[in-house]
Amino acid sequence: DIQMTQSPSSLSAFVGDSVTITCRASQTISNYLNWYQQKPGEAPKLLVSRAFSLQSGVPSRFRGSGSGTYFTLTISSLQPEDLATYYCHQSYMSPRTFGQGTRVEI
Amino acid sequence: QVQMVQSGPEVKRPGASVRVSCKTSGYNFINFGLNWVRQAPGQGLEWMGWISPYTRDTEYPQSLQGRVTLTTDTSTTTAYMDLRSLRSDDTAVYYCARSSGRDHAFDVWGQGTLLTVS
Repeated sequence: DIQMTQSPSSLSAFVGDSVTITCRASQTISNYLNWYQQKPGEAPKLLVSRAFSLQSGVPSRFRGSGSGTYFTLTISSLQPEDLATYYCHQSYMSPRTFGQGTRVEI
Repeated sequence: QVQMVQSGPEVKRPGASVRVSCKTSGYNFINFGLNWVRQAPGQGLEWMGWISPYTRDTEYPQSLQGRVTLTTDTSTTTAYMDLRSLRSDDTAVYYCARSSGRDHAFDVWGQGTLLTVS
């Protein structure tokens, strides 16, 4: 199975800050890397697919990058509504594994 | 508008079985895969499997092989997840999620169904 490792596991930042979450895959996954945002008590929401494709309606302050085994999600100008846990997810091969999550506190 | 509406909360005894349903609408059911993902209390996301409503092909993680079965009913555009031999560590919120054949990202999610095994 492909292991997905996120860091940090949690972070705290101020409104307006830029934050970056990293995700490493245990083997190459090309660009089959997706990012989800899960707010407390809600289902996850797809933010970015195929490493850098921003989903419709997602604010442009979210940006995904990377390929192979190393990926990042950057939130520029952090907003109060960005309080959530963020998960990376590889859809390269089965089983389609998730990272352990990064909790973002404002 | 694409929607995925799941069945209500369940409470089961250890050793029992459960079926969770996911009623879809607003898109062509056979054109997208259906995944199930669960989340134990305070924990991360665990992929439970995938089914193609078109071919009925399925994929399951080794950890759940033999205990989980995914099915679909194209006449009602509904997906089902059956989990057997329930244990206390199966207590979780269970989600259905749609995926495209292009990138397999989970672009639409159900609201979640809480299963309590006690």
